[in-house]
Amino acid sequence: NAGVMQNPRHLVRRRGQEARLRCSPMKGHSHVYWYRQLPEEGLKFMVYLQKENIIDESGMPKERFSAEFPKEGPSILRIQQVVRGDSAAYFCASSPATGGQETQYFGPGTRLLVL
Amino acid sequence: AQSVTQLDSHVSVSEGTPVLLRCNYSSSYSPSLFWYVQHPNKGLQLLLKYTSAATLVKGINGFEAEFKKSETSFHLTKPSAHMSDAAEYFCVVSPNSGGYQKVTFGIGTKLQVIP
Repeated sequence: NAGVMQNPRHLVRRRGQEARLRCSPMKGHSHVYWYRQLPEEGLKFMVYLQKENIIDESGMPKERFSAEFPKEGPSILRIQQVVRGDSAAYFCASSPATGGQETQYFGPGTRLLVL
Repeated sequence: AQSVTQLDSHVSVSEGTPVLLRCNYSSSYSPSLFWYVQHPNKGLQLLLKYTSAATLVKGINGFEAEFKKSETSFHLTKPSAHMSDAAEYFCVVSPNSGGYQKVTFGIGTKLQVIP
């Protein structure tokens, strides 16, 4: 059973470009979470999605960031018009269901560098 | 409301000596608690989790943690540190309130193991 997959693992963008990060959850998992980790900081929740639905986007910046989890294919975190402050590691996690006892399984992350 | 406090941002131990990483939490519900480990430039790996069963939880790589409700603590321990334990460790709390609730990450503790 493959784990959570993220690609690309490293992404370099210039200011103003778009960044598109992909996450394929573990087989059988229908819940996806995105987190951002800034240097020397812990993980900050961004968004929680189920297939075709955004359940909680309270951690997403109001502008330039969007996320989707289509019926087919991976979840996508999209950052438009990137700025240097967007440089961070972005982690995706998945779980088979929701609720306090469910473990979230993490992908290896995408490290975004904005020049 | 819930929160997690990791009391030490950095811990340094000698190889072969015990490890203690401290975590205190607050939660309006009887929480589930997790410890994750992150090696440099890697994703997060689950070490262990507490979900209201036995209060002493054994995890991978010789780690264990004890849930102490009276102290609202969930400290991570290992009897003898190994060089490969050098990493960052995150304590995570999730409320068992039924349905979806965000998990909360601590800011992390970096463990250094000195040969």
